[in-house]
Amino acid sequence: DIQMTQSPSTLSASVGDRVTITCRASQFISKYLAWYQQKPGKGPKLLIYHASSLESGVPSRFSGSGFGTEFTLTISSLQPDDFATYYCQQYDGSRPFGQGTKVEIK
Amino acid sequence: EVQLVESGGGLVQPGGSLRLSCEASGFTFSNYWMHWVRQAPGKGPVWVSYINTDGSSTNYADSVKGRFTISRDNAKNTLYLQMNSLRVEDTAVYYCARDGISDRPIDYWGQGTLVAVSS
Repeated sequence: DIQMTQSPSTLSASVGDRVTITCRASQFISKYLAWYQQKPGKGPKLLIYHASSLESGVPSRFSGSGFGTEFTLTISSLQPDDFATYYCQQYDGSRPFGQGTKVEIK
Repeated sequence: EVQLVESGGGLVQPGGSLRLSCEASGFTFSNYWMHWVRQAPGKGPVWVSYINTDGSSTNYADSVKGRFTISRDNAKNTLYLQMNSLRVEDTAVYYCARDGISDRPIDYWGQGTLVAVSS
């Protein structure tokens, strides 16, 4: 089975910071990588699909990159609404999620 | 507006059964594959099951295979998850989720319903 490994597990940052989260797949997954944002008590929200395509309505400060086994999510200038937990997910086949990265206030 | 509203969660003893429902609105339900995804307290989401548009094809995570059954009623715009032989490790918030069109990922999630398995 494909395993998804995110790093870091926790990230402390300030408003305005540039933030980068990494996701690694244990096998080649082409472009089939999504990023989600989750806030307490809510279902996840889709941010990025096909590794780098921005979901409609998502602010342009969010961007994704990568292909194959290495992927990144970047928030160019962290806003107060962005403090949340972020998950990557492979969606070609077994659909595993990463373990999550909590972005907290520094 | 796409809405997915889960119901049917609760406290159940090990070995017991529950049936979750998910009522969909704001989109043509019969055109979309649907999923159940669960999330244990403090953990990341884990995919549980999916069903295709007419219910003729389903798939399950190994951890629930043979115990859980996914189904849908397109006339009622409702997705179901029948859970039997429940175990303590099935305790989680269960989310109903809509698959994206074509080769896109899950694009909408419900608010979740809590299933607690405990004696």
